[in-house]
Amino acid sequence: AQSVTQLDSQVPVFEEAPVELRCNYSSSVSVYLFWYVQYPNQGLQLLLKYLSGSTLVKGINGFEAEFNKSQTSFHLRKPSVHISDTAEYFCAVSDGITGANNLFFGTGTRLTVIP
Amino acid sequence: SAVISQKPSRDICQRGTSLTIQCQVDSQVTMMFWYRQQPGQSLTLIATANQGSEATYESGFVIDKFPISRPNLTFSTLTVSNMSPEDSSIYLCSVDGTGNYGYTFGSGTRLTVV
Repeated sequence: AQSVTQLDSQVPVFEEAPVELRCNYSSSVSVYLFWYVQYPNQGLQLLLKYLSGSTLVKGINGFEAEFNKSQTSFHLRKPSVHISDTAEYFCAVSDGITGANNLFFGTGTRLTVIP
Repeated sequence: SAVISQKPSRDICQRGTSLTIQCQVDSQVTMMFWYRQQPGQSLTLIATANQGSEATYESGFVIDKFPISRPNLTFSTLTVSNMSPEDSSIYLCSVDGTGNYGYTFGSGTRLTVV
């Protein structure tokens, strides 16, 4: 069975400071990994995904994430955040062997950027 | 990526009634997914809907409570039946419009049952 743990439910950070949102997964098989962002009263938007290849994945809005198989982690980072990055961020995993198409989500991390 | 139009965006319903949520996609997709996001919690998959076959439900979700229709490759509905306050959640539909795990989500339906 697959599961995702987002270690921080809330992360406050000052504007222009760096941020890291942590995500660990549990799976007995190869996985695909995703980060989604949900702005207030909106649906989910894909930030980035790891399917294979380079373990450093770059996404939209200046975000990047690194797949670390030995630590079963997929932490999301941004070197300098903006007020507009304030949102809920979800890490998700999908089965990379059978190609199962449903996503298992973490509980989310609320990023608040402080002016 | 695919664009999804989901409606209604929100509704307040009386307990015991039913609400049907619609999702329209701007391209043909094989599978559509329905998720529930309970207050303060993450998303949980309800079911996967393929055109021309019965939806596949995840553990804890049953067809009598959440009937799904998938009449064609661009449209699906989810009905929340015989609602109780515990059904108050955001319901979202999702598709993989790229065929490469590029999942897109609708903007969600915020349901409040009173």
